[in-house]
Amino acid sequence: GNSVTQMEGPVTLSEEAFLTINCTYTATGYPSLFWYVQYPGEGLQLLLKATKADDKGSNKGFEATYRKETTSFHLEKGSVQVSDSAVYFCAFGGTSYGKLTFGQGTILTVHP
Amino acid sequence: NAGVTQTPKFQVLKTGQSMTLQCAQDMNHEYMSWYRQDPGMGLRLIHYSVGAGITDQGEVPNGYNVSRSTTEDFPLRLLSAAPSQTSVYFCASSYSYGSRADTQYFGPGTRLTVL
Repeated sequence: GNSVTQMEGPVTLSEEAFLTINCTYTATGYPSLFWYVQYPGEGLQLLLKATKADDKGSNKGFEATYRKETTSFHLEKGSVQVSDSAVYFCAFGGTSYGKLTFGQGTILTVHP
Repeated sequence: NAGVTQTPKFQVLKTGQSMTLQCAQDMNHEYMSWYRQDPGMGLRLIHYSVGAGITDQGEVPNGYNVSRSTTEDFPLRLLSAAPSQTSVYFCASSYSYGSRADTQYFGPGTRLTVL
């Protein structure tokens, strides 16, 4: 069935370190791919998205490329900040009306 | 715009009690949905609606009811609460359900504890 597998956390980094959070998916058809972020005490908000193979989504210094051949959508940032501390969710959608399938989430903590 | 609003923010129930979690959006979105968030399991879809008067089950619908009498509101009802329903509940909406790339907008969540 459809599923998303995310890199297990928690991930702890120092400020200005490089970040990668791995995400792979299993889906029929050609889903759209998303990264959502959840800051402490808040709901989820869209970080970036990509709708077709080789598309690159980017926002706030974060990037992810839709790799159809490896069914992956890894999240990267070159230099993290303390304010990036949050839970990051990979998700795909578009295979069933409106439904998003989420990964389990990765907790990121950035220390000064 | 207020976006997606949810009430209450926190709730404690005893086993067997009933309650309704409220969700409203002011963006004229067709699609609304309810998710529950549990540690290590991401978000799982409970119920969703593609428009007023139309609802359907998601991945984990048992123990929950929904209705959609207006475009704006999508309440979630727990008829007889169980400890397994202790979770954080999120309501979400998007402009339409037909577009593959529609962004879903989430409410701030309701943290429910069932004793």
